[in-house]
Amino acid sequence: GQNIDQPTEMTATEGAIVQINCTYQTSGFNGLFWYQQHAGEAPTFLSYNVLDGLEEKGRFSSFLSRSKGYSYLLLKELQMKDSASYLCAALGHYGGATNKLIFGTGTLLAVQP
Amino acid sequence: DSGVTQTPKHLITATGQRVTLRCSPRSGDLSVYWYQQSLDQGLQFLIQYYNGEERAKGNILERFSAQQFPDLHSELNLSSLELGDSALYFCASSSSRGEYNEQFFGPGTRLTVL
Repeated sequence: GQNIDQPTEMTATEGAIVQINCTYQTSGFNGLFWYQQHAGEAPTFLSYNVLDGLEEKGRFSSFLSRSKGYSYLLLKELQMKDSASYLCAALGHYGGATNKLIFGTGTLLAVQP
Repeated sequence: DSGVTQTPKHLITATGQRVTLRCSPRSGDLSVYWYQQSLDQGLQFLIQYYNGEERAKGNILERFSAQQFPDLHSELNLSSLELGDSALYFCASSSSRGEYNEQFFGPGTRLTVL
């Protein structure tokens, strides 16, 4: 079957660095997405990894290890506006269909002054 | 603004009723995805359409159905509503069938079933 695990909540301090981990199990894996979602709003795309390694985009970086079924999202120079839920999602084959995006339950990050 | 529009923004109805949620994808996007997000379950994929055809199905109940019209807008129909159907319903669109693509999410429809 398919499974995505990420911590439920994390707290960090403004200006610091935080790493949000995600482990996944899926068949026909075809990529790992990270989305940011503020309460009551739509998810917005942050990153996509399909090959092993680190992808850097400004203050946000995402890492993938396909052999370990593991990804993380790294947020640097945290700002108060980074307080949000961060969703890990795996693209794979589920239930007979190809390339379905399955989301984890999200990690609620609270940035404190 | 993602370019994806959803109507209505809020919907309050009673158990047993039927509602229709509407989604217009970004200009040029052929794929439309529907998701349900409830407090305790996170984002759940319901169904995907590509250029009018059903492409993938997730955890969609038999009481729910969807379609994509020739102008590429999509509707999600929810019938025999139950209290547990109260949730945020998101539509997303992308330019391809499902291979790597960034999905752009609409603002969502908040459904409350009383």
